[in-house]
Amino acid sequence: EVQLLESGGGFVQPGGSLRLSCAASGFTFSTYAMSWVRQAPGKGLEWISSISDNGGSTYSADSVKGRFTISRDNSKNTLYLQMNSLRAEDTAVYYCAKPMSSSWYRFDYWGQGTLVTVSS
Amino acid sequence: QSVLTQPPSASGTPGQRVTISCSGSSSNIGSNTVNWYQQLPGTAPKLLIYKNNQRPSGVPDRFSGSKSGTSASLAISGLQSEDEADYYCAAWDDNLNVFGTGTKVTVL
Repeated sequence: EVQLLESGGGFVQPGGSLRLSCAASGFTFSTYAMSWVRQAPGKGLEWISSISDNGGSTYSADSVKGRFTISRDNSKNTLYLQMNSLRAEDTAVYYCAKPMSSSWYRFDYWGQGTLVTVSS
Repeated sequence: QSVLTQPPSASGTPGQRVTISCSGSSSNIGSNTVNWYQQLPGTAPKLLIYKNNQRPSGVPDRFSGSKSGTSASLAISGLQSEDEADYYCAAWDDNLNVFGTGTKVTVL
């Protein structure tokens, strides 16, 4: 059974940093691109970043470019999101998402999400 | 900000057919396939339709998708109370993924 378990969320002040993790199991993690998607309270979904299966290619939304870094450790079956220079508008539930095979963005499995709150 | 536009809300009575539109452009829907997600209250999104009109296993055939030009649609026929949720379209746009603005479906 595919499982994605996010962790690392919490409360942080503006300008601070957090690192999110997503532990994957139930599939061959190293053969799938992976992504992070977030959802601000009461708002819609926002794709923020994706990484190729071997970590060699990454893509990010303009809203987080230069502040957030996606990475992965295939030996640990874990996806990461390093978030720096956090702003109030980064407050959201952060989901990691796995795509269907042979795709980047058809997300057939999602984690339960981890809440990040940025506030002074 | 999203580049795929959806109506904020839609509604129907049980058994009715509800349609949700998703309007994009030549760089996203016009040149790539569309996926749809259902998000029940307090839960993670679920893939409902992929490649414009394909249903993952387990998704009832009451849900159907279509695409024409730079727009796509999701139809729910035989609306049921458990279909009350938020629905999002999504498409690839120049190596990036974009989601629609979302539509809240209410079952009256």
